[in-house]
Amino acid sequence: QLQLQESGPGLVKPSETLSLTCTVSGGSISSSSYYWVWIRQPPGKGLEWIGSIYYSGSTSYNPSLKSRVTISGDTSKNQFSLKMSSVTAADTAVYYCCSSYYYYYFALDVWGQGTTVTVSS
Amino acid sequence: EIVLTQSPGTLSLSPGERATLSCRASQTVSSNYLAWYQQKPGQAPRLLIYGASSRATGIPDRFSGSGSGTDFTLTISRLEPADFGVYYCQQFSRSQWTFGQGTKVEMK
Repeated sequence: QLQLQESGPGLVKPSETLSLTCTVSGGSISSSSYYWVWIRQPPGKGLEWIGSIYYSGSTSYNPSLKSRVTISGDTSKNQFSLKMSSVTAADTAVYYCCSSYYYYYFALDVWGQGTTVTVSS
Repeated sequence: EIVLTQSPGTLSLSPGERATLSCRASQTVSSNYLAWYQQKPGQAPRLLIYGASSRATGIPDRFSGSGSGTDFTLTISRLEPADFGVYYCQQFSRSQWTFGQGTKVEMK
């Protein structure tokens, strides 16, 4: 059974870089059946797609965040990662990593539990 | 970018009642790529419906999805206490995902 787990610092200073890792178990990030996706949710607000990576290494990003975001994969560790630069208080949110399975027409079928990131000095 | 607009913002209903949630897209969405999620406080969202009308694994049949083009609907036939929460629609196209702003289903 596929499981995802986010990890990374819970507190980041303004203007610094947010770094999170998603560890995948029960499946492989090298599978052509999946996209691997980052989603965030600011306190009391809705869901926002940040970006994704495909097994081939190709990435896509939310145009509103593209200039600050990099998503990469590490097949040896079966992990994918998010880096977001120049963070501000507006980046405070719960960050989720998810899988997007072709069988479900790329809906987000498995979610990590989420990790809270606060941007504050 | 396809914008999804959900209505109503809040739905106040009693257990046993029928809930009808709407999701309207700014451009045509392929029905295959429209999904619905449920989120409860402090939890990650859960996939309910994919392909506009197919239930995900383990989702009860009181949840149903319908629609095509730009208008989609999630129906909960008879609300149970566990069904109260926030519901999001989501579309996928050109390797990008977008969400509606959510509909809160609260107990009346």
